[in-house]
Amino acid sequence: GAGVSQSPSNKVTEKGKDVELRCDPISGHTALYWYRQSLGQGLEFLIYFQGNSAPDKSGLPSDRFSAERTGGSVSTLTIQRTQQEDSAVYLCASSLVATLTDTQYFGPGTRLTVL
Amino acid sequence: SQQGEEDPQALSIQEGENATMNCSYKTSINNLQWYRQNSGRGLVHLILIRSNEREKHSGRLRVTLDTSKKSSSLLITASRAADTASYFCAPYTYNQGGKLIFGQGTELSVKP
Repeated sequence: GAGVSQSPSNKVTEKGKDVELRCDPISGHTALYWYRQSLGQGLEFLIYFQGNSAPDKSGLPSDRFSAERTGGSVSTLTIQRTQQEDSAVYLCASSLVATLTDTQYFGPGTRLTVL
Repeated sequence: SQQGEEDPQALSIQEGENATMNCSYKTSINNLQWYRQNSGRGLVHLILIRSNEREKHSGRLRVTLDTSKKSSSLLITASRAADTASYFCAPYTYNQGGKLIFGQGTELSVKP
């Protein structure tokens, strides 16, 4: 079946603008994760959703970052007042449930460039 | 949360040779996963080894886990140019919920 999809694949924006990144998880997966990968920082966890539980936001770097997951499916990561240090590849992943043995399936990522 | 540290940071070998990457972590784990990333995009799950397992195979991949040393290794045998990628380990403990914490990865280059 279809894998995790993300849009857009590339986004160039100007400093100070807001951006929205979208993730469509694999159908039936209840857990959804956002990660960020930037030069010098490696692959960082940002936030994850598990069913109807409150999301784990412990990885969000500032209050400019927020994420929603509507109807338990599609998720949107919003970055307000973007800064140059927000430039990175934003990766989304999903899994059946957020358990210790469950494989996470990653999307292709959105490359964000903030000028 | 648990973070793995991969070693070496970069590895360059010839096609046909074996590649070994190591991962160290700090506290007890429930399992450890290895992922591969091509061209800085999405990660692909390779293998998961549980804390009560010592070795696991999948095709040309062999993963070992030594919980006494808090380390794991990933061996790719008879490497191919297509194995060129970054490899990440993700040690996992139950109290992390579902999130994975990755290290900086090992960048493997296999030359034809």
